[in-house]
Amino acid sequence: AQKVTQAQTEISVVEKEDVTLDCVYETRDTTYYLFWYKQPPSGELVFLIRRNSFDEQNEISGRYSWNFQKSTSSFNFTITASQVVDSAVYFCALAYSGSARQLTFGSGTQLTVLP
Amino acid sequence: GAVVSQHPSRVICKSGTSVKIECRSLDFQATTMFWYRQFPKQSLMLMATSNEGSKATYEQGVEKDKFLINHASLTLSTLTVTSAHPEDSSFYICSARDRGPALAGAGETQYFGPGTRLLVL
Repeated sequence: AQKVTQAQTEISVVEKEDVTLDCVYETRDTTYYLFWYKQPPSGELVFLIRRNSFDEQNEISGRYSWNFQKSTSSFNFTITASQVVDSAVYFCALAYSGSARQLTFGSGTQLTVLP
Repeated sequence: GAVVSQHPSRVICKSGTSVKIECRSLDFQATTMFWYRQFPKQSLMLMATSNEGSKATYEQGVEKDKFLINHASLTLSTLTVTSAHPEDSSFYICSARDRGPALAGAGETQYFGPGTRLLVL
């Protein structure tokens, strides 16, 4: 069975602060994929990043960075110098290497960036 | 690239009517499409997996006669909510998996449509 845990239900920060969203996963598969999606108030899920289980390199994209650690089964997401437009619900998700690549979502973290 | 559209974006209907929601991958071919349901302030719940040219696979607890899924082509899947009732009111989201080169990992990513808000009166 697979499971994704996002323990932080809601986070509020003031603009320009850094914020880290936690994601812990459970899987028995050796090959799997981890994802982060952003869901703004409009409702559409926006793909942010995909990481496969064999690539533990951290990634940086602008103000976004991701820390993947297999030893702790975590895939944390950091936003540097947060902006009001970053306010959204962020979902971490896991896909196993089965044929359908179905996603298991975490419960999501509501991030509110205050001006 | 990797754009998925959904139509309609919002629908209000009377109890007992059927509603069809379309999901299209606009700039890629999707071997597999997925249908999710999301209640307010909750995560996405997978309803079914749809493969082009074959029957959909429904998750446990999802009534296949209630939620009819058709995946007629590599770019179109439809979800029909039959005899809708107020409890079917929800946000329905589709996603499509790119059948791009496996080496690039492209086939591993689901791209989501903008969602359809269904309100059954």
